Order: sequence, then structure tokens, then C-alpha cells
Amino acid sequence: QQQVKQSPQSLIVQKGGISIINCAYENTAFDYFPWYQQFPGKGPALLIAIRPDVSEKKEGRFTISFNKSAKQFSLHIMDSQPGDSATYFCAASIYSGNTPLVFGKGTRLSVIA
Amino acid sequence: DTGVSQDPRHKITKRGQNVTFRCDPISEHNRLYWYRQTLGQGPEFLTYFQNEAQLEKSRLLSDRFSAERPKGSFSTLEIQRTEQGDSAMYLCASSLGLGTNEKLFFGSGTQLSVL
Repeated sequence: QQQVKQSPQSLIVQKGGISIINCAYENTAFDYFPWYQQFPGKGPALLIAIRPDVSEKKEGRFTISFNKSAKQFSLHIMDSQPGDSATYFCAASIYSGNTPLVFGKGTRLSVIA
Repeated sequence: DTGVSQDPRHKITKRGQNVTFRCDPISEHNRLYWYRQTLGQGPEFLTYFQNEAQLEKSRLLSDRFSAERPKGSFSTLEIQRTEQGDSAMYLCASSLGLGTNEKLFFGSGTQLSVL
């Protein structure tokens, strides 16, 4: 049972372009949606997170857009750089429910010059 | 903050052998999580501890898997009678565990290969 579905599986973007990764969730009790970034040989690292009381959150070049009615959220990377090349995971959980994070399958992003 | 430390980084074992992995969390973190990650997949939750108490272990993949966190500091994950399907990256994460979902800090993982 895949509770968080992530797409695309891989993405190639030109330097300076916008990278967009999408996730959909099934459990309407989820109310915490982080994105993690993972480089080869490293563990995932928190990039940005959102709760459903807002529809968008921006931190530098990274923006999460959240659509509660559609049960979808997305990560936008503006002005993508080669250093952004990594695997990105969306995740979801119940904020105060002591529930573990459920991760998507990941998107491998390659930013080419 | 020295980060989450996992040992060993790589482990190669023969099918049927037992293996044990160690995780040292960030010192002030009282929550510790174990996840498994296979190629092309996201991390899959296995178990977690609040201090020395194991609060969730139903997601451990089989009774061959067990985890401990004596004294609420480091943790070990043991796999008995390993099978080829156990080959994966085993990730440990820690957090402050303030009762709400919070930032997880992951280690670099232990890559297990079962021959």
C-alpha cells in the first residue's frame, strides 16, 4: 500500500530552469508534508516542509505548493543548479500523532549545464 | 552537532549469518528511528524509540529483525539468519522528539549485501 505517490521518477532540467516534482497522498489525516533531499552515499536531509494551514511555503529557491482538496503537493526548484542534482523524496505524516514519516519513491533530478 | 553516526558503512555477509548495525544519534536527541531503503525506493519505516522505550515495532519486517536502545543512547539493529532479500541500505535517524513531528536527521546508512 503506497500512501504517498511521487512523480516523475526522474527529471532532467537545464541549468536555470524550474524543476517540478509532484506528490499525492491518500490518508486525509496527514497534515505534515516535508521534502527531503538525498545525495549519493548520504542519508536524506530535510529541505522544506509545509502544513495544510497554508497553500504555499517558500524558502530561497525552493517552494512547496499544497492543494488540500486534491490531496496533492509539489516541490518547485527555481533557477535550478547542477548542485541541485540529487534524489528528492516527498513524505507525509500526522503532525502530532507520533506517526512515522511515510516516504514517496523518490525523483532523481539531474540539472545539466 | 556531530551528526548521526552509523557503523559499519558497508557490510557483506553470507546468507544465514547474523548481522548487527550500530547507530549513534545526535547527543541531545531522544527519538531514534530505523528505516530501510532499497534501490529506487524511498525510506521504509521499521521502528523507533523514545529514549530507551521502543514505541513502534510492528513494522519490523519479520521476527528476524530486532532493535535495542539500551540507556536511551546508541541503538543497534540486528538481523538474524540473513536472507538475500535483506540486502538494502539501513538508515538511522534521530530527532528532538518534542511530541510533534519534527526534523529528522539521518545518518549515512549501513549498506548491507547478503550473498
